Amino acid sequence: GALVYQYPRRTICKSGTSMRMECQAVGFQATSVAWYRQSPQKTFELIALSTVNSAIKYEQNFTQEKFPISHPNLSFSSMTVLNAYLEDRGLYLCGARDYSYEQYFGPGTRLTVL
Amino acid sequence: QQQVRQSPQSLTVWEGGTTVLTCSYEDSTFNYFPWYQQFPGEGPALLISILSVSDKKEDGRFTTFFNKREKKLSLHIIDSQPGDSATYFCAAMRNNNAPRFGAGTKLSVKP
Repeated sequence: GALVYQYPRRTICKSGTSMRMECQAVGFQATSVAWYRQSPQKTFELIALSTVNSAIKYEQNFTQEKFPISHPNLSFSSMTVLNAYLEDRGLYLCGARDYSYEQYFGPGTRLTVL
Repeated sequence: QQQVRQSPQSLTVWEGGTTVLTCSYEDSTFNYFPWYQQFPGEGPALLISILSVSDKKEDGRFTTFFNKREKKLSLHIIDSQPGDSATYFCAAMRNNNAPRFGAGTKLSVKP
């Protein structure tokens, strides 16, 4: 079956430092990977969508300078939260899909910023 | 970014009862509408989905209805069970894009 793993599951970083998180797709080809953030008491906000052979598209209020993403092959993606501050805390989800509509989600990386 | 509106925010249902969750959207180019179920500590898992060419899809106790004209969709859970207690998210998307989520409904099914 199709599975998405995320690493780490939980992480703590000091304010002003950076944190890298990873997403691994197993059992299917992740032609597109979407990164989301779920802040406390909020829904999942789309950060960016990375599609093979296309430029990474960032949503309003999210930038490459703050959330650089790498999608080097059809099974792996990573995202870094640069210069993290309190407002960046939350659950970061990776959702990957192949050529179909169905999106498979990982369990998320929970980021705490001190 | 709030392109999908979902209600209610929370809901309590007795075991055996019917749960109804509703969503609406604005972008008429959306053509695929998944519903996700999320348990604490886990990522959202696809529960049921519907394409805009259909108006109803059923999977066991779960049925989703879609009204293209009104840009509304709903999820019905019949014979609700305590194990159904979770947070449910509706979402909307078009191909070559990513799902946009509603705010979620926290469902509690009491025995």
